[in-house]
Amino acid sequence: DAGVTQSPTHLIKTRGQHVTLRCSPISGHKSVSWYQQVLGQGPQFIFQYYEKEERGRGNFPDRFSARQFPNYSSELNVNALLLGDSALYLCASSTITGGSWEQFFGPGTRLTVL
Amino acid sequence: GQQVMQIPQYQHVQEGEDFTTYCNSSTTLSNIQWYKQRPGGHPVFLIQLVKSGEVKKQKRLTFQFGEAKKNSSLHITATQTTDVGTYFCAAHSGGSNYKLTFGKGTLLTVNP
Repeated sequence: DAGVTQSPTHLIKTRGQHVTLRCSPISGHKSVSWYQQVLGQGPQFIFQYYEKEERGRGNFPDRFSARQFPNYSSELNVNALLLGDSALYLCASSTITGGSWEQFFGPGTRLTVL
Repeated sequence: GQQVMQIPQYQHVQEGEDFTTYCNSSTTLSNIQWYKQRPGGHPVFLIQLVKSGEVKKQKRLTFQFGEAKKNSSLHITATQTTDVGTYFCAAHSGGSNYKLTFGKGTLLTVNP
């Protein structure tokens, strides 16, 4: 079975630009979460979507937005990019059934803002 | 907001030595998870602990959840070079909030 896929793998943008990151969850998983991981730190929670509805939001500015599509894939959008947005953006899918909160992470998108 | 403190930040051991990382929260947790991230890779789920005082073992790895459900530990017996990576705890506070809070991780390096 295919794991979580993310695109693109790497991305270079300049300050002020907009970026869209994409994620496809494991087949059958209805929950998708987005995390930002800065080098040397743990993943920081950005959003969680379940059944196309936002179920959780981390402490990120309104420049960050996301959505989940009917096929459970998801997009993360970041507007007005800042240098500090440079990070690895991870998508994770899960089933959230039977009390298991196991997150299956994708390989991530490495975003560099110049 | 909820914070999860993890220590130590770094640990260097000789192959064959034991290793332990600790995770602490100021609030009671619904459950705690442990992940391993190899250099250049993504976090991979190791285990989830739910019950107070729970202890789970996976080969050389032993995971514990404190009685008060505010702390947890991961112990590796007789480390191997394949154990190299960053170990993260991640806490879920429960309820309808699906937010998972990660600790900063412990980077383990193993000298062969």
